[in-house]
Amino acid sequence: DQQVKQNSPSLSVQEGRISILNCDYTNSMFDYFLWYKKYPAEGPTFLISISSIKDKNEDGRFTVFLNKSAKHLSLHIVPSQPGDSAVYFCAASDKSNTGKLIFGQGTTLQVKP
Amino acid sequence: NAGVTQTPKFQVLKTGQSMTLQCAQDMNHEYMSWYRQDPGMGLRLIHYSVGAGITDQGEVPNGYNVSRSTTEDFPLRLLSAAPSQTSVYFCATRGGKDTQYFGPGTRLTVL
Repeated sequence: DQQVKQNSPSLSVQEGRISILNCDYTNSMFDYFLWYKKYPAEGPTFLISISSIKDKNEDGRFTVFLNKSAKHLSLHIVPSQPGDSAVYFCAASDKSNTGKLIFGQGTTLQVKP
Repeated sequence: NAGVTQTPKFQVLKTGQSMTLQCAQDMNHEYMSWYRQDPGMGLRLIHYSVGAGITDQGEVPNGYNVSRSTTEDFPLRLLSAAPSQTSVYFCATRGGKDTQYFGPGTRLTVL
């Protein structure tokens, strides 16, 4: 049972345009959500996060939106740059504070010059 | 600061062999964890530790053992490797609220 789902395995956008990556979750106990970025042959790196008490968090070109009623979050990258080409994982943790993260399958973003 | 280091970077094993994947951190984080990444599956938690002497199972613990004798080190042991354990393994530590810092990974192939 996949509790965190990224239904789009890949996304291709033109440089300068907006990239929108989506993530759905099923567990209503999740209270914190994160996005990680991963380049080939490297470990994932933290990108941005959002608490369930908020519906938006912004950091430079990156904005994460959370829709709790729909159990859906999205990552917007504006403007997209070729260096943003990577695999993006969304992850969620629950109120138990064990530190365990549940990851989605990942979406490969390609930004074309 | 080296952050999170993992050795080896690559390893090929034969079915039934044993080995230990090493993970070390210099950030003095109490929480450490091991994940495996497989195509189409994302990252799945194998084992985690909230401090020296304390470990617990994650989503996919079968076939793996861990121990935590120091804050710095969290080795992952495969006692009898199987082809299903072919994967990329990542060690991570936890800093702020659920923000985890990952090592560069170990790519393991079991023949």
